[in-house]
Amino acid sequence: EDQVTQSPEALRLQEGESSSLNCSYTVSGLRGLFWYRQDPGKGPEFLFTLYSAGEEKEKERLKATLTKKESFLHITAPKPEDSATYLCAVVTSGNTPLVFGKGTRLSVIA
Amino acid sequence: DARVTQTPRHKVTEMGQEVTMRCQPILGHNTVFWYRQTMMQGLELLAYFRNRAPLDDSGMPKDRFSAEMPDATLATLKIQPSEPRDSAVYFCASGIYNEQFFGPGTRLTVL
Repeated sequence: EDQVTQSPEALRLQEGESSSLNCSYTVSGLRGLFWYRQDPGKGPEFLFTLYSAGEEKEKERLKATLTKKESFLHITAPKPEDSATYLCAVVTSGNTPLVFGKGTRLSVIA
Repeated sequence: DARVTQTPRHKVTEMGQEVTMRCQPILGHNTVFWYRQTMMQGLELLAYFRNRAPLDDSGMPKDRFSAEMPDATLATLKIQPSEPRDSAVYFCASGIYNEQFFGPGTRLTVL
């Protein structure tokens, strides 16, 4: 059974304090790994897709990386507006349902 | 700016009542997904369609849940009869290739 585990469950950072969120996965054949951001009361917002080990993608203060067993979402010099739940998901076949982790709740304190 | 829309955004109902949730996918997306999110379980797949054909509904309690796509612009999720354990946020997502885009969700409370 495909599994996605995210850690930590919650993370509290001071503004400007860089850190990383982890997403480890056990799947039969990875076709893609996705990162989403979810704000309270809203749907998940797409951030990145990674397809192969070694791939990296960046957007503003966020950088996602992928290895054969896990992905990291690096947050550099975070700001309070980066506070949200970050969700990781995998897909093992084209255009099929995502298998989600439980998410990491990030709080950035000014 | 193309978005997935869902109605209603909030629904409070009593146990035993029928609930219908609606979703308008992004035009041109050929796959529509229904997910349910709870604090305990996180995001779970209920059902999905490709080119309006149902492909998998194994995540739904079949005796009370049903999902349909009467046309390319509308997907529906019905619960009849509703139970308190159905209280959750229900998300619709549409996609093409591997990227999925989520609607704002319907927050359902069953008393």
